Amino acid sequence: EPEVTQTPSHQVTQMGQEVILRCVPISNHLYFYWYRQILGQKVEFLVSFYNNEISEKSEIFDDQFSVERPDGSNFTLKIRSTKLEDSAMYFCASSVLSGGYGYTFGSGTRLTVV
Amino acid sequence: AQTVTQSQPEMSVQEAETVTLSCTYDTSESDYYLFWYKQPPSRQMILVIRQEAYKQQNATENRFSVNFQKAAKSFSLKISDSQLGDAAMYFCAYRSAKAGGTSYGKLTFGQGTILTVHP
Repeated sequence: EPEVTQTPSHQVTQMGQEVILRCVPISNHLYFYWYRQILGQKVEFLVSFYNNEISEKSEIFDDQFSVERPDGSNFTLKIRSTKLEDSAMYFCASSVLSGGYGYTFGSGTRLTVV
Repeated sequence: AQTVTQSQPEMSVQEAETVTLSCTYDTSESDYYLFWYKQPPSRQMILVIRQEAYKQQNATENRFSVNFQKAAKSFSLKISDSQLGDAAMYFCAYRSAKAGGTSYGKLTFGQGTILTVHP
């Protein structure tokens, strides 16, 4: 079964450093998403991406965050200057259509900011 | 904005028994989709079941079924013949079906319910 692949599975970074989280969505999917989950809390929407541009973003997705699909396969989330409160599980997801199909989620990247 | 509420932070069930997880939501839209996701200790998000709001028939996937009450904005998950592998966090989620709407494509999650299965 096709999978959404996320790398790395765990990243530790120092406060103020830039991090890039990488995702390879399922090849025929057109819609891409990033979500985050702070430990013990609910999953929160960050951003959706379609046709090479952001289609929607949440209040969490401020100027410190950016997304890119540089080569038609990878989908990346960049955090420019990490804060302690950015420590969370980050999930990438993709969907073939924007309708009622459930997403396919990746297995997540655990980001720890120290 | 849509909200999703799961009022049961934790539930437990004996193996082979049946358990129901509750979810309510608030929306002004008439067309939408509802989902239950399972998150085991590995923290991967796994789709369990989905329901289209325009369908009156409740969705069923093997041992998992939903009770969808559109007027009451309620969407509960029933797990029959519970197994040890069902132990996980379960999230209810909402997705608008409205093209171009502000929440189009986005999933809004509830707070989650931790399900424990006792042998």
